[in-house]
Amino acid sequence: SQTIHQWPATLVQPVGSPLSLECTVEGTSNPNLYWYRQAAGRGLQLLFYSVGIGQISSEVPQNLSASRPQDRQFILSSKKLLLSDSGFYLCAGLRATNTGELFFGEGSRLTVL
Amino acid sequence: AQSVTQLDSHVSVSEGTPVLLRCNYSSSYSPSLFWYVQHPNKGLQLLLKYTSAATLVKGINGFEAEFKKSETSFHLTKPSAHMSDAAEYFCVVSYMEYGNKLVFGAGTILRVKS
Repeated sequence: SQTIHQWPATLVQPVGSPLSLECTVEGTSNPNLYWYRQAAGRGLQLLFYSVGIGQISSEVPQNLSASRPQDRQFILSSKKLLLSDSGFYLCAGLRATNTGELFFGEGSRLTVL
Repeated sequence: AQSVTQLDSHVSVSEGTPVLLRCNYSSSYSPSLFWYVQHPNKGLQLLLKYTSAATLVKGINGFEAEFKKSETSFHLTKPSAHMSDAAEYFCVVSYMEYGNKLVFGAGTILRVKS
């Protein structure tokens, strides 16, 4: 079955520090992958998506970046965190059913102080 | 523009009573529709999906949803709420004519009172 492992689960970082959240996929090859952010009281905001190695599309301009160095690896990064980067980050993959169904990682809770 | 509207940001029901979470979407000639559930600090889990088969879709944990094209709705129901149903629920639509663009509703938080 298709699964996503995401880490770290929780992270507390000072303003101005770097960030790296990692996501790996099992059970499928070359999936479309997504990074979403969920701020308190809001829905899911699409940050980045990738259709393959080295291919990244950004939905929202910000101080975050994403990379896909390997087929099953998707990384969310920042060089300098802002307070507004706090939130719950979810990595998701598109199931190979051609219906638009997503499967999600367990999420990473980032608190920037 | 493609949009998904979950009409209630919060719904509160008593345990054992029916649940209704409402979702409307902007029209599409061939949408796929999904309901996901999210428990606190967890990822989203698929409850059920409609992909152009039967209009009444049954999902996990006793939930079901009916696709009504004329009303552009996909409301989620359950006959009898359980305490474990307390969570946030997201309605999601995939618009095939826009390259399977996924649009999320803002979410509905379901509270179940004992």
